[in-house]
Order: sequence, then structure tokens, then C-alpha cells
Amino acid sequence: EDKVVQSPLSLVVHEGDTVTLNCSYEVTNFRSLLWYKQEKKAPTFLFMLTSSGIEKKSGRLSSILDKKELSSILNITATQTGDSAIYLCAVITYNQGGKLIFGQGTELSVKP
Amino acid sequence: NAGVTQTPKFRVLKTGQSMTLLCAQDMNHEYMYWYRQDPGMGLRLIHYSVGEGTTAKGEVPDGYNVSRLKKQNFLLGLESAAPSQTSVYFCASSPDREGYTFGSGTRLTVV
Repeated sequence: EDKVVQSPLSLVVHEGDTVTLNCSYEVTNFRSLLWYKQEKKAPTFLFMLTSSGIEKKSGRLSSILDKKELSSILNITATQTGDSAIYLCAVITYNQGGKLIFGQGTELSVKP
Repeated sequence: NAGVTQTPKFRVLKTGQSMTLLCAQDMNHEYMYWYRQDPGMGLRLIHYSVGEGTTAKGEVPDGYNVSRLKKQNFLLGLESAAPSQTSVYFCASSPDREGYTFGSGTRLTVV
């Protein structure tokens, strides 16, 4: 059975801290891994990772995929209170339907 | 340019009642999905569709039915609601199984 696991499940930090969120997966026919940010409403897209070892960056956020270790990390540097959200990792496979398989999410709280 | 629209946004049902959630997309996407989100469990796939007239079961399909009679609409039905179906429901669509657009969600409470 395809599975995506995130850690930690929750995290409390102070503004200015750097955080690393983890995502590991066990799936057949891996295609891509996606990261989303969710603040009370619909998930918003952050990154899509398909190739191993290539870092994707957007401002203070960055992410990288390790296909050998079947995992990905999402880094947030110089955290701000606006980074408080649930961060979701999801995997797409080549199996029928292209459905996203989500992890449980990491709830990040950034205190002033 | 509405994207993915879900109706209703909130609903309270009594146990045993039925209802239909509507997902409408105006992007001509082939693929559509219904997920439910419960605390600490991420999003779990209920049913999905790979094109007009097709549907398939996801991870947690029991108690739900779906229909995709028109390409732009994907309906999720609860025939006899149970408290275990209290959740937030998200619809998503994709043109190519790589880019996904989510609706804003429906918060359903079954009492």
C-alpha cells in the first residue's frame, strides 16, 4: 500500500528560527513529490520535485528530493508568524488516475 | 476565472439525512478528485474521475457515491450521513496529473 509519512507532526518555533520538515514515502511507480501550505482553507502549491538532488527555492523556502532515501525536506529560514500553517507533502505515482497521496501534515506554529 | 468552486461551504446534517456536494471547474480539466481532511490525517482520497462519465474508488470510498455526467462537474453524494463523515471536504482538478487546483472546501458536520 502506498504511504507518505511526515515528521514532525507539529512544531513550535520563534520568529527568526530555521525549520526543517521531513517527508518520506513508500510508493510504487513514483512520479513526483509536491509540497503544499495550508492556512485554514485550500492547500496552496509550493514546490514540485521530480529529480533527485536538485534544490528548488522560493524566497525563504527551499526543498530537495532524495530518491535514494525516498524522502524530501522542506526548509524555511528566518521564519515569520505568517509561516504558521499546516505543511502537506504529497506524492504522485504513474498509477492510474494521477491521484495525490498525502502525508499527515506538519503543523508549524511560529511565535513572535 | 473561477477555478474550482465547491458548494455549499458549510452544512450541518442530521444522522441519516442525505446530501450532495458539488464541485465545478471551468478549466476544462480531465481529472477530478474528492478528498476529506480530518485532524492529523492529511487529505484522504474518497473517489476520483479520469474523464467525463468515469469514476473510481479512492482510499476511503465507503458511504459515498460520485457522478461525473458533465466534464466540468463532479458530485459527491452521502446517502445516509453518519457522524464519522463529519469532516472538511476538498475537491481538486488537474489537466495533466501534475498541476492540481483545489476548491476552498466544504465543512460538513453530522449530528
